[in-house]
Amino acid sequence: QSVLTQPPSASGTPGQRVTISCSGSSSNVGGNTVNWYQQVPGRAPKLFIHTNNQRPSGVPDRFSGSKSGTSASLGISGLQSEDEADYYCAAWDDSLNGWVFGGGTKLTVL
Amino acid sequence: EVQLLGSGGGLIQPGGSLRLSCTASGFTFSDYAMSWVRQSPGKGLEWVSSISGSGGSTYYADSVKGRFTISRDDSKNTLYVQMIGLRAEDTAVYYCAKDIGYSTFYYFDFWGQGTPVTVSS
Repeated sequence: QSVLTQPPSASGTPGQRVTISCSGSSSNVGGNTVNWYQQVPGRAPKLFIHTNNQRPSGVPDRFSGSKSGTSASLGISGLQSEDEADYYCAAWDDSLNGWVFGGGTKLTVL
Repeated sequence: EVQLLGSGGGLIQPGGSLRLSCTASGFTFSDYAMSWVRQSPGKGLEWVSSISGSGGSTYYADSVKGRFTISRDDSKNTLYVQMIGLRAEDTAVYYCAKDIGYSTFYYFDFWGQGTPVTVSS
């Protein structure tokens, strides 16, 4: 059972917009910034969104992040087949004194 | 180009010990905090341990506390995790990850390729 809660799966057709949610508590999402990582099966994770809504260079602007209270979300607009991957949210937890991750959301492009 | 090259994984019997290494290049290793994150087969990411840039502060997940020890050798640009009392549930791919912070943890901007560890008799 992950500390942060994500839906196990999400899907959309090419061109659609999808949103992946991440729910936590005051000791993690509510009190610290949220980061999102993309992982293609068999590969190492890759930073996709940091500090709630900042995109590293090289990440398409179709990807966006937001946070409100103890929840965060990753938005992907203009869905493309290359976006198929697992997405994980993460935040530092002040109570556990460590990083906590969501269980991951498998994004399928139909 | 930032590179994090993990090594030291393999097959180990329950109760055994193993030391993983992660050799860094492409950045000033001593300026950054580092972490280990693992992923069991078919499962999600699980944070294991973190160490500050100075090495003076270390943090552990409850699942490994008392069994794993994180350390760093800045002269060798290498991060380590010494694992003892290994259990079947420690079977995973272990990733080393670089933080952008030194004494405060912000996010992992680079990840290693992963080192597989299998605990089985």
